[in-house]
Amino acid sequence: AQSVTQLGSHVSVSEGALVLLRCNYSSSVPPYLFWYVQYPNQGLQLLLKYTTGATLVKGINGFEAEFKKSETSFHLTKPSAHMSDAAEYFCAVSDLGNDYKLSFGAGTTVTVRA
Amino acid sequence: GAGVSQTPSNKVTEKGKYVELRCDPISGHTALYWYRQSLGQGPEFLIYFQGTGAADDSGLPNDRFFAVRPEGSVSTLKIQRTERGDSAVYLCASRLAGDSYNEQFFGPGTRLTVL
Repeated sequence: AQSVTQLGSHVSVSEGALVLLRCNYSSSVPPYLFWYVQYPNQGLQLLLKYTTGATLVKGINGFEAEFKKSETSFHLTKPSAHMSDAAEYFCAVSDLGNDYKLSFGAGTTVTVRA
Repeated sequence: GAGVSQTPSNKVTEKGKYVELRCDPISGHTALYWYRQSLGQGPEFLIYFQGTGAADDSGLPNDRFFAVRPEGSVSTLKIQRTERGDSAVYLCASRLAGDSYNEQFFGPGTRLTVL
């Protein structure tokens, strides 16, 4: 079974500072990895995904993540936080079987200080 | 184009009642998923449909939960004899068949409150 661990349930950053959200996964085979963002009272929106190929993945809104197989990690970063980045972020891993269901981490809430 | 829609957006019911939650996937998406998101947690898989059939219902917590997708588009999640522990946001997602990169598109969710 696959699982995802997100370190830190809450992260507070100053506007303009680096955003770093940590995600580690356990999987017996190379997985597909995802980061989703959830704004209040909205559904999940895909930020970026890793499937195959380049291990540094760029997503929307200036976010990127690096797949490190040796560390079983997929940390999300953004060089300069904006007030609009305040949201909850979920890391997820996909079952590569026929159903591709997602297993999510518990989420990290990001607050941005002016 | 239109995204995944879910109705109602909020549902308040009393313990023991029956509820139905509806999901309209993106047109042409044959794969449909239901997830449940409890307060402070990430979404948890409930059931997966490929077309009309439930291909994987391993996430349904017990036999009070049931879902259908009779025509391969709209899906309904049904919960019998609701309990307070069923209170959560129920999310629906759809995916284009043959998309091996597995992008699931999520609806806004239905917030269920069982009093």
